[in-house]
Amino acid sequence: DARVTQTPRDKVTEMGQEVTMRCQPILGHNTVFWYRQTMMQGLELLAYFRNRAPLDDSGMPKDRFSAEMPDATLATLKIQPSEPRDSAVYFCASGKTREGLNTEAFFGQGTRLTVV
Amino acid sequence: GQQVMQIPQYQHVQEGEDFTTYCNSSTTLSNIQWYKQRPGGHPVFLIQLVKSGEVKKQKRLTFQFGEAKKNSSLHITATQTTDVGTYFCAGQRYNNNDMRFGAGTRLTVKP
Repeated sequence: DARVTQTPRDKVTEMGQEVTMRCQPILGHNTVFWYRQTMMQGLELLAYFRNRAPLDDSGMPKDRFSAEMPDATLATLKIQPSEPRDSAVYFCASGKTREGLNTEAFFGQGTRLTVV
Repeated sequence: GQQVMQIPQYQHVQEGEDFTTYCNSSTTLSNIQWYKQRPGGHPVFLIQLVKSGEVKKQKRLTFQFGEAKKNSSLHITATQTTDVGTYFCAGQRYNNNDMRFGAGTRLTVKP
């Protein structure tokens, strides 16, 4: 049963520390999204990739966030330095895009980040 | 930028009552998707609407896409306690690859 895998599931870190979240998309999916979910802001799109190329990361605070896809089986989201306001659940989702049309996105279980 | 507005934010119903959530986009969409997220879970895909005026049904759920492809609705007939969760719409614009989510409607059902 194919699924998107995210690690870690939970992360508690101190302010100022670097945090790296990892995502293994479903094999064969060519689009990967990173979302952040908070009670106040809902599901915010942070960045997304098509065929491993970053298409848009305008949703991310550029000075501290970075997203990469070093290969087709791994997407990473890094925060350095982390701040308490970064506390949220971070979701990775993957899907197929055909002729410009996104088909259903499969979400991972999420990484719950708490910055103290 | 694109905004997808969703109302209501919360809806509390008695089991057996109907439920509707609405999404409205400031720009024309190429397609809209609907997701359900259970408490503590992750969003799970329900359906995708692509054509103007499209209506799709899944058992007690009815999904509509407006003629102008700027609005959509999800209607649940005779809610059950298993329908509890937050329902999100997500829109994709033409010539754009992102999927932006509405704020979601949180549904609670009283048995």
